Amino acid sequence: EVLLVQSGGEMKKPGESLSISCQGSGYSFTDFWIGWVRQMPGKGLEWIGIIYPGDSDIRYSPAFQGQVTISADKSIATAYLQWSTLKASDTAIYYCAKGVVRATTYWFDSWGQGTLVTVSS
Amino acid sequence: ELIQDPAVSVTLGQTVTLTCHGDSLRVYYATWYQQKPGQAPILVIYGRNNRPSGIPDRFSGSNSGSTASLTITGTQAEDEADYYCNSRDRSGNHLVFGGGTKLTVL
Repeated sequence: EVLLVQSGGEMKKPGESLSISCQGSGYSFTDFWIGWVRQMPGKGLEWIGIIYPGDSDIRYSPAFQGQVTISADKSIATAYLQWSTLKASDTAIYYCAKGVVRATTYWFDSWGQGTLVTVSS
Repeated sequence: ELIQDPAVSVTLGQTVTLTCHGDSLRVYYATWYQQKPGQAPILVIYGRNNRPSGIPDRFSGSNSGSTASLTITGTQAEDEADYYCNSRDRSGNHLVFGGGTKLTVL
């Protein structure tokens, strides 16, 4: 069974740094993309970026480029989403998802449970 | 950019079609996700018209020009949820989600 297990919820203050994680199991971690998706309170899904753990190829949404850092440690089958300086507007649920890429399509077939990040002074 | 109707309603047992509009859909297939309150999204349709195991066959997808459609035939109460389409953008290098459609089953 494919599982993506995310780290627990976080409460931070503006200006602080943060790293959340997503550990994959039940499949070959290096053979599939891992994507990150944001969902702000009461809002829709937003694509943040993706990483291919096999060679650390990373793509960012233009809206998130420079705002977050995506990385992965294939030795422990874990992907990360990091912030160096949090803002209140980063308050959201963040999902990781296992991605499958084809020439004319792309899909996330398994999702983590989500990590709630709350940034407040 | 992918455009979805914010809200759609359907009578129990009837058929409903949700749409997703975007130029990139002329080149790339849309993927559809269902999200219920307090839960992570789940994949319902991908590629030309493929369903993951566990997704009922009342869900189907289609594509025509710049529009992708998700059809639910014989809608059940448990289908009430938010539905999001997703595809590559026109450059092919990034992904984009539609704004989502809240489906209400009456």
